[in-house]
Amino acid sequence: ETGVTQSPTHLIKTRGQQVTLRCSSQSGHNTVSWYQQALGQGPQFIFQYYREEENGRGNFPPRFSGLQFPNYSSELNVNALELDDSALYLCASSFGQGVIYEQYFGPGTRLTVT
Amino acid sequence: QKEVEQNSGPLSVPEGAIASLNCTYSDRGSQSFFWYRQYSGKSPELIMFIYSNGDKEDGRFTAQLNKASQYVSLLIRDSQPSDSATYLCAGSNYNNNDMRFGAGTRLTVKP
Repeated sequence: ETGVTQSPTHLIKTRGQQVTLRCSSQSGHNTVSWYQQALGQGPQFIFQYYREEENGRGNFPPRFSGLQFPNYSSELNVNALELDDSALYLCASSFGQGVIYEQYFGPGTRLTVT
Repeated sequence: QKEVEQNSGPLSVPEGAIASLNCTYSDRGSQSFFWYRQYSGKSPELIMFIYSNGDKEDGRFTAQLNKASQYVSLLIRDSQPSDSATYLCAGSNYNNNDMRFGAGTRLTVKP
């Protein structure tokens, strides 16, 4: 167990709806990264938050947005859900900005869009 | 062309053998490289990272990096059935805020 928690575990949504996923980082960590992992693929970087500011973003459209709170927990929001958004969403926490060698993943949220 | 490429496998080795996992990358700006292990239905867990050319050893695992050839590998010595998992290779830029993963190689260690 890494100390990183995510909620909910599973979620089923309908195309066009909006969803919020949550992540609590490991104690002492101030950086959270979010990833999308489709079946049979590696995780794809969505964005990273460091001390409540977005600190890098992958090739995802603006309907993917996030927040980080003062306690360093984080949310991932996805608007106008599409069928291709069905995936495992992973958050990973780490400490510091710049070169980060160790990040710890949460168990993930499995999102199904119908 | 994907930025990080791995042979999807499956790679099958007998118990006690050396498993060799390979990864190539296209972005010469990548600075650090990571190997993660992911069991079915679980999240990735870090095995080790490497950022200098050469070998890095940690127990039964050895990572190798060749920046000139844009090649990263992971050797698992004395493979155990518990090593059966998908192994993900990832590279990142200097700020580590854009980590790119390969699709993973599925390894099966047969007793």
